[in-house]
Amino acid sequence: QKEVEQNSGPLSVPEGAIASLNCTYSDRGSQSFFWYRQYSGKSPELIMFIYSNGDKEDGRFTAQLNKASQYVSLLIRDSQPSDSATYLCAVGRSNDYKLSFGAGTTVTVRA
Amino acid sequence: DAMVIQNPRYQVTQFGKPVTLSCSQTLNHNVMYWYQQKSSQAPKLLFHYYDKDFNNEADTPDNFQSRRPNTSFCFLDIRSPGLGDAAMYLCATGPFGGGNEKLFFGSGTQLSVL
Repeated sequence: QKEVEQNSGPLSVPEGAIASLNCTYSDRGSQSFFWYRQYSGKSPELIMFIYSNGDKEDGRFTAQLNKASQYVSLLIRDSQPSDSATYLCAVGRSNDYKLSFGAGTTVTVRA
Repeated sequence: DAMVIQNPRYQVTQFGKPVTLSCSQTLNHNVMYWYQQKSSQAPKLLFHYYDKDFNNEADTPDNFQSRRPNTSFCFLDIRSPGLGDAAMYLCATGPFGGGNEKLFFGSGTQLSVL
């Protein structure tokens, strides 16, 4: 079983719609949860992080964390063509230097 | 204004010919990481430095080596590249090395092996 699992997609959404991305993780001791955006051929860029259960909003992005279900999600509201990218979920714990990355979900926003 | 800089952006090498990738940072972070990422896969940690302390992942092949001569610079050496080593190599930094901190990535080096 992979440590961090994501649906690879592609997830295709029309411009202006909400894109919903999901991530599950296996380590119950995980404490930190990150979403990185990666454009094709580019390096990952941090867009959201969340440490506590519940929702965290930043502009058009909302991260949702449910530690009991070992589930973290990312919502992208009012999706734009510039949101077309692969979104990597990463999970960590404070006593371990290593982040565990998922393989990413590819999002395509149709104009 | 770039904070983590990788050179070159693209590197083409021949099978078996040693290659060195470089990374520099202006953030003064203690920790520097090297990741390998193949197409449609998760980044895979190869090794990291906490200050001058080198930490190798158990499954990193001996073919991969690293040097960190000072806080700002870190190098990835591939002694005898094989076709399977073609990938994007990502350098990242973090201030303290805990799994709860944000990573700052460089632009990556895309390595091709002919």
